[in-house]
Amino acid sequence: GESVGLHLPTLSVQEGDNSIINCAYSNSASDYFIWYKQESGKGPQFIIDIRSNMDKRQGQRVTVLLNKTVKHLSLQIAATQPGDSAVYFCAENSRGSNYKLTFGKGTLLTVNP
Amino acid sequence: NAGVTQTPKFRVLKTGQSMTLLCAQDMNHEYMYWYRQDPGMGLRLIHYSVGEGTTAKGEVPDGYNVSRLKKQNFLLGLESAAPSQTSVYFCASSPTTLMGAKNIQYFGAGTRLSVL
Repeated sequence: GESVGLHLPTLSVQEGDNSIINCAYSNSASDYFIWYKQESGKGPQFIIDIRSNMDKRQGQRVTVLLNKTVKHLSLQIAATQPGDSAVYFCAENSRGSNYKLTFGKGTLLTVNP
Repeated sequence: NAGVTQTPKFRVLKTGQSMTLLCAQDMNHEYMYWYRQDPGMGLRLIHYSVGEGTTAKGEVPDGYNVSRLKKQNFLLGLESAAPSQTSVYFCASSPTTLMGAKNIQYFGAGTRLSVL
């Protein structure tokens, strides 16, 4: 069936480096995407979103890129900090899904000082 | 500004026992959701509600029941707990979405349930 997946389950970076977390999706009807951050022992927290009519959106230190041709989504974190260490999930919402989100399995980002 | 509040935070049950997890949101959101999170499985939707008095099945509804008697509350019940229901449970809510609006779901802190 349709699914949202991740290329890498773990990512380790040095403090100050840029991080890139990838996500692949297979549902051609997906029209809205969200990135969530989940710190240990906490619930997922909204980071940034993007609609399918866009290919890039920027927030504070984060950028989401969407390539609809290859059904690929990425989250870029600039100047990664220890506080960025968490699990990052992508989620997609498709037309007609009654506002349900389908989540990927997550990528664990570890920032080394 | 509480957002989404889940109670209890932790619970240990014996097989066959029942319990209810409570979710409360103070954002006047129409939509509410219950997920379970297991290692390597991501978030899986158990049940959801699109408004007061309505509920619907998600991806993994078996063994669970829900009720949405009040707009701000969404209850998740386990009638006869099984070890396979050991998990972390998350509640989320999202606002009514008009055409073209966004479905950002806001999550609670979770309930960690162990069934022995």
